[in-house]
Amino acid sequence: DTEVTQTPKHLVMGMTNKKSLKCEQHMGHRAMYWYKQKAKKPPELMFVYSYEKLSINESVPSRFSPECPNSSLLNLHLHALQPEDSALYLCASSPSGDEQFFGPGTRLTVL
Amino acid sequence: AQRVTQPEKLLSVFKGAPVELKCNYSYSGSPELFWYVQYSRQRLQLLLRHISRESIKGFTADLNKGETSFHLKKPFAQEEDSAMYYCALSGGNYGGSQGNLIFGKGTKLSVKP
Repeated sequence: DTEVTQTPKHLVMGMTNKKSLKCEQHMGHRAMYWYKQKAKKPPELMFVYSYEKLSINESVPSRFSPECPNSSLLNLHLHALQPEDSALYLCASSPSGDEQFFGPGTRLTVL
Repeated sequence: AQRVTQPEKLLSVFKGAPVELKCNYSYSGSPELFWYVQYSRQRLQLLLRHISRESIKGFTADLNKGETSFHLKKPFAQEEDSAMYYCALSGGNYGGSQGNLIFGKGTKLSVKP
């Protein structure tokens, strides 16, 4: 398996909901990332996990909570989001911290 | 400060014409530079990296440290090259951990028949 997979593909949630985004890779990569991409904008880094430990948090609001249960899985827990959080959320993994492999993304809409 | 600049939001060329997508960077160390491409409704994918010095889908990019540039070139554009292209910089270790990518704002390439 040489791809990064993300579920769900689409998610619509209310501002009071709690939901989770999932990301999985089986390439043995030890670094995993969450990005946020607004329409017609480049991806913006949110979190980096290295060897299952959170190493970078780019001043992301606490309503986004990452979790790395094991070396293959990365979750992003969402709670009390705002409409401006609507975006494409991308997961990526990297074998060595430079070249990154991206998932297809989860398109999130917050009502 | 680490920065990647892509001066053109949109580049439109005719099929068969040469194309050059510009990328300039600002970084105090020895960066690794990449070009990523995002075709319509497809995932972001690596096109090429400066270390490998290879040609992918006819595209090449040379790192010019003097001009701090990493322009993407193709001698004869094809319609299937139409996509969003992002130049990205990896500063290697960041905060003692696996490095992050800094993306430029992207250039949308449109190749007309």
